[in-house]
Amino acid sequence: SQKIEQNSEALNIQEGKTATLTCNYTNYSPAYLQWYRQDPGRGPVFLLLIRENEKEKRKERLKVTFDTTLKQSLFHITASQPADSATYLCALPRGSGGSQGNLIFGKGTKLSVKP
Amino acid sequence: EAGVTQSPTHLIKTRGQQATLRCSPISGHTSVYWYQQALGLGLQFLLWYDEGEERNRGNFPPRFSGRQFPNYSSELNVNALELEDSALYLCASSLAGPDTQYFGPGTRLTVL
Repeated sequence: SQKIEQNSEALNIQEGKTATLTCNYTNYSPAYLQWYRQDPGRGPVFLLLIRENEKEKRKERLKVTFDTTLKQSLFHITASQPADSATYLCALPRGSGGSQGNLIFGKGTKLSVKP
Repeated sequence: EAGVTQSPTHLIKTRGQQATLRCSPISGHTSVYWYQQALGLGLQFLLWYDEGEERNRGNFPPRFSGRQFPNYSSELNVNALELEDSALYLCASSLAGPDTQYFGPGTRLTVL
């Protein structure tokens, strides 16, 4: 069955450093992958979408890579700030290729950025 | 542009009762999704509605049901509530299909 794994439940880093979060998937050939941010007790907020034919995508201090051979996406936050502390979720469409189902979310990685 | 809205914010029920949660999508969005997020767990997909039809449902018992109205708003009903139904219930909407999803603030359901 389709499976999404985010490599760690928690990641602690120092302010100013680069945070790198990993999302691995199996039994999938997704047309795209998304990253969301969730603060405690609130709904997730969309950050970035990267398509299967894109290797990398950037938005301000955020960078996402998508390696369909490794079946992995890396999510980077450069020059991290305490305000970046949150849980980050990766999500994939349930279907493969052009046949899309609902999104499936990973369990998330809780990032804590210390001043 | 108004975001996704959900009501009520909090809901307290006792075992065996029924709960009704409501969601209004972003204007123009036709797809509505419901998720359950129990404490410390990830988002578990419940239901997907599009154009008034149920398109998919997650691995939940039939006492979880819902519907989508002609104005695309949606309702989630949970019958015969159990203690383990206590969770944050999130609604999301998208333009069509599983594209970028925009989430509401959630309804916190507590079953006593």
